Amino acid sequence: KAGVTQTPRYLIKTRGQQVTLSCSPISGHRSVSWYQQTPGQGLQFLFEYFSETQRNKGNFPGRFSGRQFSNSRSEMNVSTLELGDSALYLCASSFSGETEQYFGPGTRLTVT
Amino acid sequence: DQQVKQNSPSLSVQEGRISILNCDYTNSMFDYFLWYKKYPAEGPTFLISISSIKDKNEDGRFTVFLNKSAKHLSLHIVPSQPGDSAVYFCAGTDSGNTPLVFGKGTRLSVIA
Repeated sequence: KAGVTQTPRYLIKTRGQQVTLSCSPISGHRSVSWYQQTPGQGLQFLFEYFSETQRNKGNFPGRFSGRQFSNSRSEMNVSTLELGDSALYLCASSFSGETEQYFGPGTRLTVT
Repeated sequence: DQQVKQNSPSLSVQEGRISILNCDYTNSMFDYFLWYKKYPAEGPTFLISISSIKDKNEDGRFTVFLNKSAKHLSLHIVPSQPGDSAVYFCAGTDSGNTPLVFGKGTRLSVIA
C-alpha cells in the first residue's frame, strides 16, 4: 500500500510570490491534515480537510489556504510569501480523522 | 500558549541503556496521547499511544506512562539502540475530533 506522497519535495521561492503544495493520501483515507514544522517550534497544525470540507483550522493567517478534491488529494496554498514561511510542510492522512495519522515526507519550502 | 511541552530539546544515551523522554501538557481536556518518531528527511511515524483511561501502555521495547494528576507522560525505550536516534514528538488531543497538538520534540542520540 503506497504511503502519503507530497510534491514537490523541495521548493525555493522569493518573498511576495505564492506557492502551491500537493498531498496524495493513502488510498481510502479521506482525512488530510497539514502541519508546518519550523526549527524549535515543533509541528503546528494548519488545517484539516475531510470529504472536501475544511473541518478544523489552526491559528495561521489567511494567506494560508487549502482545498481537497473528490479523490481526497489535497493542496495547500500560501500567498504573498514571507521569509518566516520557510519551513517543512507536512501532510498527514487517516481514514476519517482518527488520532493515528500517517505522515508524508514533507515539502521543504525556502523563501528568499 | 504551549499546551504540550517537551522541555528537553536533546538527550544522549548509551546503547543498551534506558531512554526516558518526558512530556507535560496543560490542557485537561486531552484524553489521548501519542508519540511519533521522526528521522531526517522523512515524515513522523507513529510509535505508541495511550488513552487517559490507562496509565501504561507497552509495545515491545517502548512503554508510555501517563500520570494524569501531574499532567505528565513519559516514553521509555529499553534497551536503546542506535537506530532509535531520531527526534521524538509527543502529541495530545481531545479525541472528540480536535487536531493533534504537538510538542517541540526531543532529539535522542543513542551512542554505540
